[in-house]
Amino acid sequence: AQSVAQPEDQVNVAEGNPLTVKCTYSVSGNPYLFWYVQYPNRGLQFLLKYITGDNLVKGSYGFEAEFNKSQTSFHLKKPSALVSDSALYFCAVSRTFSGGYNKLIFGAGTRLAVHP
Amino acid sequence: KAGVTQTPRYLIKTRGQQVTLSCSPISGHRSVSWYQQTPGQGLQFLFEYFSETQRNKGNFPGRFSGRQFSNSRSEMNVSTLELGDSALYLCASSWGNRQMNSPLHFGNGTRLTVT
Repeated sequence: AQSVAQPEDQVNVAEGNPLTVKCTYSVSGNPYLFWYVQYPNRGLQFLLKYITGDNLVKGSYGFEAEFNKSQTSFHLKKPSALVSDSALYFCAVSRTFSGGYNKLIFGAGTRLAVHP
Repeated sequence: KAGVTQTPRYLIKTRGQQVTLSCSPISGHRSVSWYQQTPGQGLQFLFEYFSETQRNKGNFPGRFSGRQFSNSRSEMNVSTLELGDSALYLCASSWGNRQMNSPLHFGNGTRLTVT
């Protein structure tokens, strides 16, 4: 069963404009949700997470994400995009598997291209 | 604090050979997870080790194996390499609580090319 979906392969935005990268999830119970970013030839870097509490989560580099339980979404946002934000973005959810231990399941990734 | 270190950064092997990849986690982290990243399949979970025990395993054939040492360093091994094993192999460490709600910290990966 798919746990997290990123419906867009690529998002294009002009520098200075707001950006949104979409993520929906499908896990039972209270989800633990994460956003990561990957630059070329590098590993993933943690941006932010939602565990509980305020639905608007603020993270690194000016990014924020809004948790929406009714829509099962956790979209990543930034008010003003920079060319340096161009990268591959992954949404992830922590799921419980047999044995009782969670593991992180990643979406397919969304490539963000910010044009000058 | 030093980050997650993976060695080597690049590897070229031929079909049928075996390979061992190494990962040194952030000091104090007891959990090490391994992921395979390919353009077609994205990020696929391989396995997770915590205090030298495998806690979780993904859907990979038995040719993929791993282990963790008492200092939390981890290795993964792939035997009888196939062309489809060409990928970026990422290691990530964390405190490793049961709910996995603390962030994973990733290394820069080992790029394996099988010819």
